[in-house]
Amino acid sequence: EAGVAQSPRYKIIEKRQSVAFWCNPISGHATLYWYQQILGQGPKLLIQFQNNGVVDDSQLPKDRFSAERLKGVDSTLKIQPAKLEDSAVYLCASSLGGGTGTPQYFGPGTRLTVT
Amino acid sequence: AQTVTQSQPEMSVQEAETVTLSCTYDTSESDYYLFWYKQPPSRQMILVIRQEAYKQQNATENRFSVNFQKAAKSFSLKISDSQLGDAAMYFCAYRSAGQGGSEKLVFGKGTKLTVNP
Repeated sequence: EAGVAQSPRYKIIEKRQSVAFWCNPISGHATLYWYQQILGQGPKLLIQFQNNGVVDDSQLPKDRFSAERLKGVDSTLKIQPAKLEDSAVYLCASSLGGGTGTPQYFGPGTRLTVT
Repeated sequence: AQTVTQSQPEMSVQEAETVTLSCTYDTSESDYYLFWYKQPPSRQMILVIRQEAYKQQNATENRFSVNFQKAAKSFSLKISDSQLGDAAMYFCAYRSAGQGGSEKLVFGKGTKLTVNP
């Protein structure tokens, strides 16, 4: 079974530029998550989708971050404009969701460096 | 809000020995899930073990086992017969069990485990 796919794996941009990350979850997983992991810390949830609806985006900086999950499968996370403090690894995860308590499975992440 | 604390930033163990990683959490909920994830250097997060709060029996997965103390809000991970491949960052995570709401994982800051040959 294929795991969670993410691209690109690495991205370097200058501050004030925009960037987008893509995620393809495990087939059949209704719930998709984007986490931000700053160096030396544990991941922090940015947004959770259940199919193509948003369940939790309480920690998403909505003035610069946006995310969508069209058709309830793939998802894109965008940052515009980027700040130096956005340098982090962006992790996508998926699960069966629906309150089943099943684990979340993570992708390899995208390492973003903002200069 | 729930919090997860890992008080050991770094730990080391000799190959074939046993090591225990500590985790405590704070919550007012009675039903939840706890997880240990492993993150090798520059590699993706891998689930190690999962525990449901309503189960008294401690979870076990091969060489990995947990000591779940609900009243003390403690969830430690024991790795037996440590192997070089166990070297990684280990994260403890909490998830509410409420249906229909956020299923976010709340992570600790991690413990870096070194395995010495």
